[in-house]
Amino acid sequence: SQKIEQNSEALNIQEGKTATLTCNYTNYSPAYLQWYRQDPGRGPVFLLLIRENEKEKRKERLKVTFDTTLKQSLFHITASQPADSATYLCALETGGFKTIFGAGTRLFVKA
Amino acid sequence: DAGVIQSPRHEVTEMGQEVTLRCKPISGHDYLFWYRQTMMRGLELLIYFNNNVPIDDSGMPEDRFSAKMPNASFSTLKIQPSEPRDSAVYFCASSQLWGTSGEGNEQFFGPGTRLTVL
Repeated sequence: SQKIEQNSEALNIQEGKTATLTCNYTNYSPAYLQWYRQDPGRGPVFLLLIRENEKEKRKERLKVTFDTTLKQSLFHITASQPADSATYLCALETGGFKTIFGAGTRLFVKA
Repeated sequence: DAGVIQSPRHEVTEMGQEVTLRCKPISGHDYLFWYRQTMMRGLELLIYFNNNVPIDDSGMPEDRFSAKMPNASFSTLKIQPSEPRDSAVYFCASSQLWGTSGEGNEQFFGPGTRLTVL
């Protein structure tokens, strides 16, 4: 069956370190993949999009990689800050504008 | 722009009652999505519209759920009759082709409606 997997356990890191979140998928060939941030009680907020022909994309302290052979995306936050604490969702395009979201990974950054 | 607007923010109802959730997308966006989020199932796409026309409703759980988009600035999601298992946060999101940053399908989410069915 079609599946998207993200780190199911929460990720705890120290301020200033790099956080790395994983998104694995099976049975899809997405044209692009997106990452969103969700804070408690709020809707997801778009962060980055990476296309199937791109291996890496950066935006400020964020970096996303996309390996279509491994069917995996990695999301990195460098020089992490307590304000980066949130749930991060990966989302795959599955045809047209239809998007499937992963369950999300909860990140805690300790000061 | 005020962003995607949803109402009500919270709804508590009793089993068997009709529930109507409302959404106003961002002006100029031609795609509108309805999602449901629970701890067990995460964020699930229920239905999406393009230019007010339903494109894919395969995520609608059953006939008790219906969605309409009578014009470009308004959409409703109706549950009739409601059941306790419908309790969730329902999000509306809108998007436009190639997005504001040229990225394509960047979705803007509303604040959600927290539905509790007793």
